[in-house]
Parts: sequence; structure tokens; C-alpha cells
Amino acid sequence: GAVVSQHPSWVICKSGTSVKIECRSLDFQATTMFWYRQFPKQSLMLMATSNEGSKATYEQGVEKDKFLINHASLTLSTLTVTSAHPEDSSFYICSASGDRGLVETQYFGPGTRLLVL
Amino acid sequence: GQQLNQSPQSMFIQEGEDVSMNCTSSSIFNTWLWYKQDPGEGPVLLIALYKAGELTSNGRLTAQFGITRKDSFLNISASIPSDVGIYFCAGQPPMIYNQGGKLIFGQGTELSVKP
Repeated sequence: GAVVSQHPSWVICKSGTSVKIECRSLDFQATTMFWYRQFPKQSLMLMATSNEGSKATYEQGVEKDKFLINHASLTLSTLTVTSAHPEDSSFYICSASGDRGLVETQYFGPGTRLLVL
Repeated sequence: GQQLNQSPQSMFIQEGEDVSMNCTSSSIFNTWLWYKQDPGEGPVLLIALYKAGELTSNGRLTAQFGITRKDSFLNISASIPSDVGIYFCAGQPPMIYNQGGKLIFGQGTELSVKP
């Protein structure tokens, strides 16, 4: 299958700081990348969809000024959690779809666990 | 909005038993995907289904895209301890309703296998 990486795999930060998470498609070009958030024992919650070179589309209830998404190339998207607070602590997962297989298929990264103290 | 109902929510089985889980919806989907997620990891794609009625196998796993396009099932035969994890179904609505190609996820089925 297609390979998607995320960095860092985990991060601990102080309240009020910003954290950047990178998502890379390693062996295919990702025309679309998705960012999800997952709480323990729950399903994945889509935060936003980003297409290369254009602004991200955020789901209802997700603050675009708090969760900044950039998709500058066909292999890289970043999520920046600005002024993080303890309630932002969660498991953040990206996925990518593109020219590997059919475009409808999303391949997921390994996730980034964020803990805000 | 569109929703997927995945069942069962959890299963406790003996090694060697077969497992079946399914997802249903009141809306149609163009694509059904089945993922497995291990603790602390991202979901891994198991099987992708693109046509109504399609039956696809991947080793001991078999999944079908329901003929009505509103449901899908996943079967695991002869379960082994490493099958433990959470299984998610995901459906992609028709593009006319879903220009961004988003997926709708089921709530997950947590599988436990007793050796």
C-alpha cells in the first residue's frame, strides 16, 4: 500500500505554545490530504480537507484560525495547532489520496499524539 | 448528514473462530473501505470496494459492497491473536454530495481474541 508518514509521532508542549505536525506522502503524489482528530475509544473526526495549492476546507465547528493547515506541495501538508490548550490534547491523524490506486482511497499516517500541559 | 451504523461495537472471540461485522446506512455510497487500527497507530487499509455487489478477499479477510450501496460487511476467518484491534468501515458518498472526497466513518468494532 501507499506510505504516509507523520512527524512528530508524539509531542508534549506547554499551554499557549504552537505545535506543527507534518504529513508526507512518501511514494505517491497526494492531491488531497485530510486531517482527523481522534479521542480514546472513539472514531475518527474529520477536521479539514486540503488540496494542494488551495485553502483548506474546514468541517463545521473546527476553528480555522486555531488549526492552520497548509498543503504547499503534492507530498506535504502541515497542521499547526496555535495557542494550544489542554483540551487540544488528542491523537491527530492525517490521510492522503491521490495517484496511488484510485483517488477515492485514503491512506493514513501513523498519527501524532499531542499532550498540552 | 450521512451516517454509518457499524455493529457490533465489540466482540470477544476464541482464537480460530470466524468473525463478521457490518456497516449500514440509509444513504448510498460510491466506495466502501475497511480499516484496522492498532492502539496508538493510524488506520491501515484492509480492503477497498468500488462497485456495488463487489466481493473482495485479502488473505483471511473478505468484504462485500452491498448491492443496494447502503451496506458492507467484513468477515475474518480463523481468527488469530494479531487480529486484535479496532476495525472501522468508511464510506465515500457520491461526488455530487461530496466534492471533497470525504469519508464517513463507522463507530468501530473492537475485536478481542482469546488464545
